[in-house]
This record gives sequence, structure tokens and C-alpha cells, in this order.
Amino acid sequence: QKEVEQDPGPLSVPEGAIVSLNCTYSNSAFQYFMWYRQYSRKGPELLMYTYSSGNKEDGRFTAQVDKSSKYISLFIRDSQPSDSATYLCATDSNYQLIWGAGTKLIIKP
Amino acid sequence: NAGVTQTPKFQVLKTGQSMTLQCAQDMNHNSMYWYRQDPGMGLRLIYYSASEGTTDKGEVPNGYNVSRLNKREFSLRLESAAPSQTSVYFCASGGVGQLRDTQYFGPGTRLTVL
Repeated sequence: QKEVEQDPGPLSVPEGAIVSLNCTYSNSAFQYFMWYRQYSRKGPELLMYTYSSGNKEDGRFTAQVDKSSKYISLFIRDSQPSDSATYLCATDSNYQLIWGAGTKLIIKP
Repeated sequence: NAGVTQTPKFQVLKTGQSMTLQCAQDMNHNSMYWYRQDPGMGLRLIYYSASEGTTDKGEVPNGYNVSRLNKREFSLRLESAAPSQTSVYFCASGGVGQLRDTQYFGPGTRLTVL
């Protein structure tokens, strides 16, 4: 079992929809959780960063961590075609990041 | 402030050839990383350097060597390229303090080994 699991998709939704992207992790000791966005033929870039449980909001994006179920989510409100990208979740272990495989998101105009 | 830069952007090699991928960062980060990204596999860590003068193996180090030349530069060498090393290679550098795990990525090198 991989330490961080993520459905690779693709996930295709119409413009304006609410998007939910999810990851599960196996080690309850993980505390820092990150979402990276990667556009086609580009390097990943940090989107959201959360510590422990709870929600964090940044504009149209909300990151949620549920430590009891070892589940992390990224919600995108009012999705735009420019949100089309691959979204990778990650958590830390001794200054290294453990990555999910990434979910490809397609927003249809 | 260029962030993380990588050269070359594209490379085609024949089996058995060698090459070095170059990476530099101007953010004064201590940590630097080399990843490869393959379809369906996500990012896999090849080597990392937690600080100048140290390097450690990641998940998939076989067939690669690295050099942390100074605080800014971290190179990845393929001594004898194999078709299995066809991939996109990303260099990243790490943040400090509370954002110690944040990584900043370069644009990638697309390598094809024939």
C-alpha cells in the first residue's frame, strides 16, 4: 500500500461546478499536508498548505484535513477552465515529501 | 529572482550515453531535490541534499549520481543512459522555518533515451 493514495482521474466537470479532489494517507503521524497544482508541461507549484486537522480557505480554494479518517480534500468553488491541471497532494516525512500520484482535472467551458 | 532553473529543457540520448542535468536556485534554500515523473507514477524522489555538502538516496537512485556543487547548484548525472530512464526530471529546492516542507520546482527536463 502506498503511503499516500490519490485517484489519477481524469475528473471532468463543467465550468462553475464545485470540484472535490481527495487523497488518503496511511500514517497517522503525518501532520503537514500540501496541495500542488501542475499545469501541462510545467513544474508543480504550491497551492495550499495546512497543518493538522481542519479547514483552510484561500479564495475559491479550500483545503480540508480529517485526521480521524486520514483523508485530505481540496475543494474548488466556481471552477474555471484555467483550473484545468493535475493536482497533487503531499505530506512530509523527515524533510522529504511523500506524494500522491496526482489527479488530472478538466474544466469544460 | 529566477527561482529554480534547469538545463537543458529537452534531451535525446542513445542507450549508453552519459549526460548531466544542471539545476540552480537563487532562494538561499538549504535543501534541494531531484525527481522523475512518469505517467501514472507521480513524482518519485531520486536523490536529495538536505544541506550543502550532503546528499542522500531517495526512492529510485539506481543509475544516477548527484553532486551538490555549492548551496545554489545541484546536478544529476546519468552515467550510462537506459531507455527506462526516459522521463521528465524535475529539480526542486526546499523552504525554511514553518514552511520547511514547501518545495519550489524548476520547469523540468524532458529526456528521451533511445
